[in-house]
Amino acid sequence: AQSVAQPEDQVNVAEGNPLTVKCTYSVSGNPYLFWYVQYPNRGLQFLLKYITGDNLVKGSYGFEAEFNKSQTSFHLKKPSALVSDSALYFCAVRFGSGSARQLTFGSGTQLTVLP
Amino acid sequence: DTAVSQTPKYLVTQMGNDKSIKCEQNLGHDTMYWYKQDSKKFLKIMFSYNNKELIINETVPNRFSPKSPDKAHLNLHINSLELGDSAVYFCASSQAGRAADTQYFGPGTRLTVL
Repeated sequence: AQSVAQPEDQVNVAEGNPLTVKCTYSVSGNPYLFWYVQYPNRGLQFLLKYITGDNLVKGSYGFEAEFNKSQTSFHLKKPSALVSDSALYFCAVRFGSGSARQLTFGSGTQLTVLP
Repeated sequence: DTAVSQTPKYLVTQMGNDKSIKCEQNLGHDTMYWYKQDSKKFLKIMFSYNNKELIINETVPNRFSPKSPDKAHLNLHINSLELGDSAVYFCASSQAGRAADTQYFGPGTRLTVL
């Protein structure tokens, strides 16, 4: 079964410090991996995705993610955190073919950036 | 220029009532989805429609009935509402035929069943 795991419910980091939000996956075949962010009382916003190619994917708001096939991980990173980055972050894996595609989401990680 | 919109944003109702949530997308996508986010923020797919045809129907009570009048709309009707239906419901859309099509989400509808 396709799945993603986010091992940390909560990540706290000081403003200006680098941040990492972890995600590991379990899929058969090539994974299509996504990161979404959810601000309070808002919908999910797409940050970035990995399809193939370069293992370092750059996305919105200065975020990037590194695909590591040997460790089956897709951690989200940012070199310097902002207080405004505080939000709920979801990792997701896409599976299915043709029109029967769907996303399976991780349980989410609440990121708090402390001023 | 809202890409995926949902109405209403908040819905408070009594147990046993029937209610509908509407979703519209102006992205020209041909696939739309409904997700449920529970009180622990866990997100789960409920339905997926492609070109008005039901593609994915996860284990959801048959009190939930999606309807897609056209490619740009996917509505969710819920009969005989129960306390456990309280959640945030998100609509999303994407374009089929791409290797890893990105899903774009609406702002959500917070349903509270009393």
